[in-house]
Amino acid sequence: GESVGLHLPTLSVQEGDNSIINCAYSNSASDYFIWYKQESGKGPQFIIDIRSNMDKRQGQRVTVLLNKTVKHLSLQIAATQPGDSAVYFCAENIGDDKIIFGKGTRLHILP
Amino acid sequence: DADVTQTPRNRITKTGKRIMLECSQTKGHDRMYWYRQDPGLGLRLIYYSFDVKDINKGEISDGYSVSRQAQAKFSLSLESAIPNQTALYFCATSDWASESNTGELFFGEGSRLTVL
Repeated sequence: GESVGLHLPTLSVQEGDNSIINCAYSNSASDYFIWYKQESGKGPQFIIDIRSNMDKRQGQRVTVLLNKTVKHLSLQIAATQPGDSAVYFCAENIGDDKIIFGKGTRLHILP
Repeated sequence: DADVTQTPRNRITKTGKRIMLECSQTKGHDRMYWYRQDPGLGLRLIYYSFDVKDINKGEISDGYSVSRQAQAKFSLSLESAIPNQTALYFCATSDWASESNTGELFFGEGSRLTVL
């Protein structure tokens, strides 16, 4: 079926540590994946994306990994900061430029 | 000023009433989307539009309709609101690039709708 899901609804990480947020998808035809960050009271904001012909992409303090064999996507945040506290969503283009979202993971930063 | 503006930001209505949520954008994007957000369910796609003549159903279009009045405007209507349509609604635009099949969604600040 068409679905994008998260392994964990909540993740708590010590400030300064690295965070890893996981996402599973089921549509083998999906060719484009995106991570969004949603802070309280705001709309989601783009973090990083990756096309299906890549397995890794790096941004500033963030890295997205794509494993098409097991249909798994992850977002790694280096040296997690208090400002990283938010809900993170993975999203995918399931075809016809139809972008669907997973259920989200809430990231808590511990002092 | 926000690039993607939603009105109203908050609305309380009664079952059976017709409700319209409006979205306007100054980004010049052709593609616009309406999503619904419920706690624990993430964002679900209601409708999306590639231009004024191209409207597509999303994951949960039943009970909703849309109108693309112009490139910059995309409105969502609930013809007869029911309590389970109580949710936070987001409009988004996309700078989709057909050559690369990639694009970023730019979201409005959301419209919170409560149906009593």
